[in-house]
Amino acid sequence: EIVLTQSPGTLSLSPGERATLSCRVSQSVGSSSLAWYQQSPGQAPRLLIYGASSRATGIPDRFSGSGSGTDFTLTISRLEPEDFAVYHCQHYGSSPPMYTFGQGTKLEIK
Amino acid sequence: QVQLQESGPGLVKPSDTLSLTCAVSGYSISSGNWWGWIRQPPGEGLEWIGYIYNSGSTYYNPSLKSRVTMSIDTTKNQFSLKLNSVTAVDTAVYYCARKESGRNLFDYWGLGTLVTVSS
Repeated sequence: EIVLTQSPGTLSLSPGERATLSCRVSQSVGSSSLAWYQQSPGQAPRLLIYGASSRATGIPDRFSGSGSGTDFTLTISRLEPEDFAVYHCQHYGSSPPMYTFGQGTKLEIK
Repeated sequence: QVQLQESGPGLVKPSDTLSLTCAVSGYSISSGNWWGWIRQPPGEGLEWIGYIYNSGSTYYNPSLKSRVTMSIDTTKNQFSLKLNSVTAVDTAVYYCARKESGRNLFDYWGLGTLVTVSS
């Protein structure tokens, strides 16, 4: 069973700062199987990054993803007020299909 | 644009069956794609429940498989979830979502509906 551990649980930063969020996977996985979502309060999750590093349609270039193997990172280069939300990483496993999410990182205004 | 809307009772008694429906607009579910359910207990992370194809084929999370049934109605452009023998740990916001064609992620989501299991 694959487990995704996100850190930190809560990150307090100010607008304009850089945010670095981590997603650690319990075993090595392919980069194509890793995605990130943003969830604003009262909203459904929104796809940000797929394949560990590709931005989804309409996602600003201040969002970037990186990593491989067991360690993946979501970076927001300059925080905008609308970026303060909860971020989830997601892994896809095949045969049979299985989707696993991390517990989320809450990005809050300092 | 694709829109999904969950509906169903907000309160379910322990040991009863939770039943939710997801109505899809702006896209025909007969066109393809897998249609899924994901839940989020209060203060916790997301949990994939499973998904269904327009043919009726399904895949479920092994941890819930014994209690889950999904169905699809292409004539009404909607799909449904049933979770039986619920307990308090099944209290969560339940989302329906569309799996993107060709990639293993969810590109459109409903706003979610809170289901509380309590007597």
